[in-house]
Amino acid sequence: AQSVSQHNHHVILSEAASLELGCNYSYGGTVNLFWYVQYPGQHLQLLLKYFSGDPLVKGIKGFEAEFIKSKFSFNLRKPSVQWSDTAEYFCAVNAPGGYNKLIFGAGTRLAVHP
Amino acid sequence: DAMVIQNPRYQVTQFGKPVTLSCSQTLNHNVMYWYQQKSSQAQKLLFHYYDKDFNNEADTPDNFQSRRPNTSFCFLDIRSPGLGDTAMYLCATSRDPRETGANVLTFGAGSRLTVL
Repeated sequence: AQSVSQHNHHVILSEAASLELGCNYSYGGTVNLFWYVQYPGQHLQLLLKYFSGDPLVKGIKGFEAEFIKSKFSFNLRKPSVQWSDTAEYFCAVNAPGGYNKLIFGAGTRLAVHP
Repeated sequence: DAMVIQNPRYQVTQFGKPVTLSCSQTLNHNVMYWYQQKSSQAQKLLFHYYDKDFNNEADTPDNFQSRRPNTSFCFLDIRSPGLGDTAMYLCATSRDPRETGANVLTFGAGSRLTVL
């Protein structure tokens, strides 16, 4: 069965620090990859997605992610975090077979201190 | 604004007392999903509707049922909640998967259920 692993459950950073959140998935075929973010008290929102083409994907708020097929990875990065980036981040993979079934990782809770 | 609205946002119920959670959407999306999210765990897909076509996940307990009376509304019924059903329940929608860019889900804010 397909699965998504997020390596860090909790990350604490100071403002201006660089961020990298790991995500690995287990499926050998064509996949679509996503990062969703959930800010405190808000609903899940799409941060960025990869369908095809350039494996380096730019998202909102200065986030980017790189798809490395050989490593089955889709790590999320941001060069300089802000306090407002405090949120929970979920990696997800679109399973094959239609209907946009998403399989999520367990999430990484990021806390950014001023 | 077009959106996905879930009610109630918070629900406390007693062990075994049926609960219904609702989801409505103004996006006119074909597909609606129900996910369960327990603390520190990944969201787990329970079932989804493609129009009126109901698709149950193999490991979704029989205790969980769903109804979609029309395009805009979808309900999650938990017939006899157990303590282990305490979780956040997320509704999401998406466009017809055959359309370009259809692989993007729009989520509601969730309904947090506590079973005592």
